Amino acid sequence: GAVVSQHPSRVICKSGTSVKIECRSLDFQATTMFWYRQFPKQSLMLMATSNEGSKATYEQGVEKDKFLINHASLTLSTLTVTSAHPEDSSFYICSAIMDRTTNYGYTFGSGTRLTVV
Amino acid sequence: AQSVTQLDSQVPVFEEAPVELRCNYSSSVSVYLFWYVQYPNQGLQLLLKYLSGSTLVKGINGFEAEFNKSQTSFHLRKPSVHISDTAEYFCAALGGSYIPTFGRGTSLIVHP
Repeated sequence: GAVVSQHPSRVICKSGTSVKIECRSLDFQATTMFWYRQFPKQSLMLMATSNEGSKATYEQGVEKDKFLINHASLTLSTLTVTSAHPEDSSFYICSAIMDRTTNYGYTFGSGTRLTVV
Repeated sequence: AQSVTQLDSQVPVFEEAPVELRCNYSSSVSVYLFWYVQYPNQGLQLLLKYLSGSTLVKGINGFEAEFNKSQTSFHLRKPSVHISDTAEYFCAALGGSYIPTFGRGTSLIVHP
């Protein structure tokens, strides 16, 4: 079945530094990838949608310059949290779909726990 | 636009008892419906999905859900739960767009 690998699973960084999170589709080509943020005991909040080879579409209220998304290939999307602050600490999850029109087969990564100290 | 309501934020149940997690949706168009499970510090895993056809959908881990168009519901059920079923469960809907809408989640707590 479709597998999405997300790395790292946990990261601790100092305030002011940048952190990159990778999301890879291992056995399929992902035309579209999604990045979510999840606060404790809450649902997923969609941050942005990225299509291979084009700029990401950010949801309202999400800072484009802070959360840089790159979808350079059909199997890799990256989220870079720039100049991280403690309030950016959260659980980040990516999701990928192969084809928007068939079976809506969304596959999720295992998530990244970011802690900014 | 669609919305998804999970009526219960937390459902405690004893092991081997049956459980139902409720999900209602609203949409002006036909929807596809999903249930996902999330274990602590992990991503979401698809339990089952309804795209069309039979309204009773069977998924992994012994879960099933029934699509009820008249009541706009897609409740998740399991006849006998295990301790290992303790997790967060999310209902999601997809309609008119390829971006799913998630409910707020229901925490299933299985007690021994």
